[in-house]
Amino acid sequence: LAKTTQPISMDSYEGQEVNITCSHNNIATNDYITWYQQFPSQGPRFIIQGYKTKVTNEVASLFIPADRKSSTLSLPRVSLSDTAVYYCLLRYSGAGSYQLTFGKGTKLSVIP
Amino acid sequence: DAGVIQSPRHEVTEMGQEVTLRCKPISGHNSLFWYRQTMMRGLELLIYFNNNVPIDDSGMPEDRFSAKMPNASFSTLKIQPSEPRDSAVYFCASSRRESGANVLTFGAGSRLTVL
Repeated sequence: LAKTTQPISMDSYEGQEVNITCSHNNIATNDYITWYQQFPSQGPRFIIQGYKTKVTNEVASLFIPADRKSSTLSLPRVSLSDTAVYYCLLRYSGAGSYQLTFGKGTKLSVIP
Repeated sequence: DAGVIQSPRHEVTEMGQEVTLRCKPISGHNSLFWYRQTMMRGLELLIYFNNNVPIDDSGMPEDRFSAKMPNASFSTLKIQPSEPRDSAVYFCASSRRESGANVLTFGAGSRLTVL
């Protein structure tokens, strides 16, 4: 399985930009990189997805280098409500089936 | 769209009892996933279905766990008999399977406590 590695936790002050990096050295050719956000007592929620280079939406940006062995989720000007756990997710493909396996995630704490 | 609907939201039961968790995926989604989340193990994929057919149940912890999807709009996860170590939040998620990418929509979860 393509395994992902993220920092366990990060702290940031309100208004700052936060960058969370995920390592995925064994990413497969046809894997997309997807990031989710989870608040306490809720299910994970899709944030952004990309295959290569840069993707931006109204919530975040995702930077993926050419070798695709890592990706960085960028949250501009975080607020207290961005305090959550952030997961990067890959799809592992093989033998007609695939796994969508979450790593441990990064717990982001935004400080006033 | 009401999203993925799970029931019950909370269940407290005694060891040895049967537990049935239910999920209604988003209409039009053809893949359904059951996950379990605990503090110790994080989010674990238990089983997933494509077009109502179980594809991979390698994450199901024991024979006490079973899952069914009799039609495109309903799935159950059953634990019989339940044990205290099954206490967790169980999430159901659905998606439209597309080549190379999957965006999952999760339900609110079912919090199970086995005494």
